[in-house]
Amino acid sequence: QKEVEQNSGPLSVPEGAIASLNCTYSDRGSQSFFWYRQYSGKSPELIMFIYSNGDKEDGRFTAQLNKASQYVSLLIRDSQPSDSATYLCASVTGANNLFFGTGTRLTVIP
Amino acid sequence: EAGVAQSPRYKIIEKRQSVAFWCNPISGHATLYWYQQILGQGPKLLIQFQNNGVVDDSQLPKDRFSAERLKGVDSTLKIQPAKLEDSAVYLCASSSGAGGSTPLHFGNGTRLTVT
Repeated sequence: QKEVEQNSGPLSVPEGAIASLNCTYSDRGSQSFFWYRQYSGKSPELIMFIYSNGDKEDGRFTAQLNKASQYVSLLIRDSQPSDSATYLCASVTGANNLFFGTGTRLTVIP
Repeated sequence: EAGVAQSPRYKIIEKRQSVAFWCNPISGHATLYWYQQILGQGPKLLIQFQNNGVVDDSQLPKDRFSAERLKGVDSTLKIQPAKLEDSAVYLCASSSGAGGSTPLHFGNGTRLTVT
């Protein structure tokens, strides 16, 4: 079983819509979760991190964490074509190791 | 603040040859990571340094991969001999914290092609 699982997509949404990206993790001891964005041919860049159950908002981005369900999500409101990228979910396990999912490719259609 | 520097950006070698990658982390960042990212997959941790000591190298194929971080700053990752399946982007990252809970800053990566 993989530590972090994501739907590889591709996920296509029209411009201005809400994009919803989901991630599940296997280690119940995981405490910290990160969302990274990776444009094609580029390195990952941090978008958000979340440690506590509930929602965390930053501009157009909202991260949601449900530790009971071992589920993390990222919502992107008012999606723009520039949001088209691969979104990587990562979790820090109880052993303090950082694992990445395979990423979800998002395409925002103008 | 200068970012994580890596070189070279691209490298093409034949199988069984050796190759080395270099990384200079963000100044003051104690923790340095090497990740391997195969096309279509997420980054996989190869090795993590805290200053010049190894914290985690459990996923490093030690029969062919080696890494060092001299003086707790720059780091080199070496592959000898290379195999076709080593074709990937090798990402170096650094963080200011000691564990995985501190956000990582990635370099631009080295794209390795083994023919």
